[in-house]
Amino acid sequence: KNQVEQSPQSLIILEGKNCTLQCNYTVSPFSNLRWYKQDTGRGPVSLTIMTFSENTKSNGRYTATLDADTKQSSLHITASQLSDSASYICVVKPGSSASKIIFGSGTRLSIRP
Amino acid sequence: NADVMQNPRHLVRRRGQEARLRCSPMKGHSHVYWYRQLPEEGLKFMVYLQKENIIDESGMPKERFSAEFPKEGPSILRIQQVVRGDSAAYFCASSLAGSTDTQYFGPGTRLTVL
Repeated sequence: KNQVEQSPQSLIILEGKNCTLQCNYTVSPFSNLRWYKQDTGRGPVSLTIMTFSENTKSNGRYTATLDADTKQSSLHITASQLSDSASYICVVKPGSSASKIIFGSGTRLSIRP
Repeated sequence: NADVMQNPRHLVRRRGQEARLRCSPMKGHSHVYWYRQLPEEGLKFMVYLQKENIIDESGMPKERFSAEFPKEGPSILRIQQVVRGDSAAYFCASSLAGSTDTQYFGPGTRLTVL
């Protein structure tokens, strides 16, 4: 069964610190993996997208990594800011054109001043 | 405005009433997706539509829920005879190409059933 698991479920860190969010998936075959940021009360916004051949991709202070062999991805946030407080969602697109994308449950990140 | 638009942003209905949620995709996008998000939970896929066609409705409840994306006008998610369990945030997303393309999300409609 295709699944996407994220950890931790929630995380609290101090402003200025770094953090790493994890995403493990069992989707096969695999097409691409995206990380979305969802602010409270808003729709998700795409941060990064990676295909099978990509190991890392950055978007400002956000850096996503992908290990397609172990089916793991991480999202690293550097020098966190209060505005980083949000839910971060890992989304995997199966390689089969007939399969819909699969959302993880998200990691709720809170940045404290 | 090039963003995905959803209205209303908040909708309150009493049990048994109908709820109509509207979604206008980004300009030029002909693929629309509807998702439901219960409080403290992740997004759950409901339905994927292309102009005038339902491509994948595997996430739609079998009864009371329907969706359409007419040739002209917004996509509509319709919930008949709402129950308290329908209370959730409903998000619409659109993409330029098919389901492998980046999906851009709207701000959501928060449905509360009294």
